[in-house]
Amino acid sequence: ETGVTQSPTHLIKTRGQQVTLRCSSQSGHNTVSWYQQALGQGPQFIFQYYREEENGRGNFPPRFSGLQFPNYSSELNVNALELDDSALYLCASSPSQGEAFFGQGTRLTVV
Amino acid sequence: GESVGLHLPTLSVQEGDNSIINCAYSNSASDYFIWYKQESGKGPQFIIDIRSNMDKRQGQRVTVLLNKTVKHLSLQIAATQPGDSAVYFCAETGANSKLTFGKGITLSVRP
Repeated sequence: ETGVTQSPTHLIKTRGQQVTLRCSSQSGHNTVSWYQQALGQGPQFIFQYYREEENGRGNFPPRFSGLQFPNYSSELNVNALELDDSALYLCASSPSQGEAFFGQGTRLTVV
Repeated sequence: GESVGLHLPTLSVQEGDNSIINCAYSNSASDYFIWYKQESGKGPQFIIDIRSNMDKRQGQRVTVLLNKTVKHLSLQIAATQPGDSAVYFCAETGANSKLTFGKGITLSVRP
C-alpha cells in the first residue's frame, strides 16, 4: 500500500458537467501531482502542487484546476467535461524530489 | 520536446527466464529515472529508481541500468514470475518532480 487514497474509484458523468476528484496523500508529503492516463497510454502530467500552491502545469486547458489543503488532501476539478476526458486520473504524492507514491486512481467515464 | 519511449509494446517470457525491458529518453537534463509496474485496475507501483550519477542499481530480483551517453534505460527482472505480468513504464524527472512517462510495455509471463 502506498498510503495515497483516491475517491471515488469509478465515476460516470455527462458531457458538459463538472467533476471533482479527491486524493489523500501521505502525511508529510508536501508535493502532490495529478496525472491523466488514457487507455493504453502512459500517465500524462496535469499539474503539481507544493504547499498549497500550483508548482508546474502540463499541457492541459484551464478547465482542469486543482487545490491542495493543509491536511495533505487535494482535489482535481474538471469543468465542461468532454468525451476525451474519459481516463484514469492518478494522484501521486512525494516528500520532495524523488519517489512518487501513486493512488489507485479514479476511472472517469464521460458519456 | 521531452519524450520517454519504449522500444517494444509487448514482451512475452517463459517463467523462470530473465526479462529485459528497454527505454529511451530524450531529455538530457533529466537526473532521476524510475521504473513503475502497473497491474490492471491499479495505480503505478514503484519498482526501482536510479539517479543520473549512477549507471547501475540493484534491488530484489531487479536491476536498472542507465546509459547517459545514448540516453537509454533498462530494467532487468531475474527469474521472472507470473506475478511479474503487468505493464511496465519508465519515467524521468528533473528538479520539479514532474514525471514524464513512456507509453508502457506489457510483460506476459508464460507458465
